[in-house]
Amino acid sequence: KQEVTQIPAALSVPEGENLVLNCSFTDSAIYNLQWFRQDPGKGLTSLLLIQSSQREQTSGRLNASLDKSSGRSTLYIAASQPGDSATYLCAVSGNAGNMLTFGGGTRLMVKP
Amino acid sequence: ETGVTQTPRHLVMGMTNKKSLKCEQHLGHNAMYWYKQSAKKPLELMFVYNFKEQTENNSVPSRFSPECPNSSHLFLHLHTLQPEDSALYLCASSRTLSEGSYEQYFGPGTRLTVT
Repeated sequence: KQEVTQIPAALSVPEGENLVLNCSFTDSAIYNLQWFRQDPGKGLTSLLLIQSSQREQTSGRLNASLDKSSGRSTLYIAASQPGDSATYLCAVSGNAGNMLTFGGGTRLMVKP
Repeated sequence: ETGVTQTPRHLVMGMTNKKSLKCEQHLGHNAMYWYKQSAKKPLELMFVYNFKEQTENNSVPSRFSPECPNSSHLFLHLHTLQPEDSALYLCASSRTLSEGSYEQYFGPGTRLTVT
């Protein structure tokens, strides 16, 4: 059974810092990996999707990397802003179609 | 309306009530999903529909009953729930249920409280 772990569970940084969020998964037989953002009490917003054949994806200040063989992904946020404060979720899609297995999330607070 | 919408946004119900959650997607997708997000637990997949057919039931208790009348609408019928069923229920959609290549788009969720 696939298990997804995100470290750290919570992170507080001053504005302007570059930061890295980590995601690990136990079964490397994945089809893709998605990073989401969730604001308190809200739904999920898709940030980046990396296919299993890709190594990274970039969108603006966000860069996600995937090392499928070691079961790891990182989300790099450059020049963090208070508006980046949210919970970041990592999810992997396994062999059984498009069913996502989620990690517990990293709660990020960027202080002005 | 665009994207994935869910109604109601908040729901309080007693354990003997019957209620329904509604999800609608305006993206032309053919796969729809129900997820449950409880406090301090990872998001859990509940049900999956592809072209109106249920393809996945993730060992969900029968007090939760999904319905997908067409590719744009998904319902979750609730009856005789327990307080531990209180959670944020999220709906999502994707183009289809292929082998994991399609991005999922989520609605804002329904915050359910069972008293």
